[in-house]
Amino acid sequence: KQEVTQIPAALSVPEGENLVLNCSFTDSAIYNLQWFRQDPGKGLTSLLLIQSSQREQTSGRLNASLDKSSGRSTLYIAASQPGDSATYLCALSPDNYGQNFVFGPGTRLSVLP
Amino acid sequence: ETGVTQTPRHLVMGMTNKKSLKCEQHLGHNAMYWYKQSAKKPLELMFVYNFKEQTENNSVPSRFSPECPNSSHLFLHLHTLQPEDSALYLCASSLRQGAGSIYEQYFGPGTRLTVT
Repeated sequence: KQEVTQIPAALSVPEGENLVLNCSFTDSAIYNLQWFRQDPGKGLTSLLLIQSSQREQTSGRLNASLDKSSGRSTLYIAASQPGDSATYLCALSPDNYGQNFVFGPGTRLSVLP
Repeated sequence: ETGVTQTPRHLVMGMTNKKSLKCEQHLGHNAMYWYKQSAKKPLELMFVYNFKEQTENNSVPSRFSPECPNSSHLFLHLHTLQPEDSALYLCASSLRQGAGSIYEQYFGPGTRLTVT
């Protein structure tokens, strides 16, 4: 059974810092990995999707990498801003035919002005 | 706005009530999902519909009954719920081409359900 962990559970940084969020998974047989942000009491907003054949994806100040062999993905946020404060979740699609997406517990990020 | 809407946004119901949650997507997607998000637990997939057919049911109790009348609408019918069913219920949609090629998911804002 696929298990997904995210470390740290919570992170507080001053504005302007670069930071890395981690996502680890136990089964490397994944189809894609998606990073989301969730604001309190709201739905999820898709940030980046990485197909299993890709190593990384970039969007603006965000860069996500995927290393299937080590069971890890990282989300890099450059020059953090208070508006980046949210919970960040990673989710895995296990294979090409299933849609049993498995989510991590999330990292709660606070960027202090 | 993600193109996925959910109503109602908040719902309080007693254990003997029957209610329904509604989800609608305006993205031309053909796969739709129900998720449950409880406090201090990861997001849990409940049901998956592809091309209006249910393809996944992750051991969800029968007091939750999904319905997908067309590829744009998804309902979750609720009856005789328990207090532990209180949670944020999220709907999502994605594009799926055939047996593979699952594209990214888009989520609605959720329905905050409280069972008293």
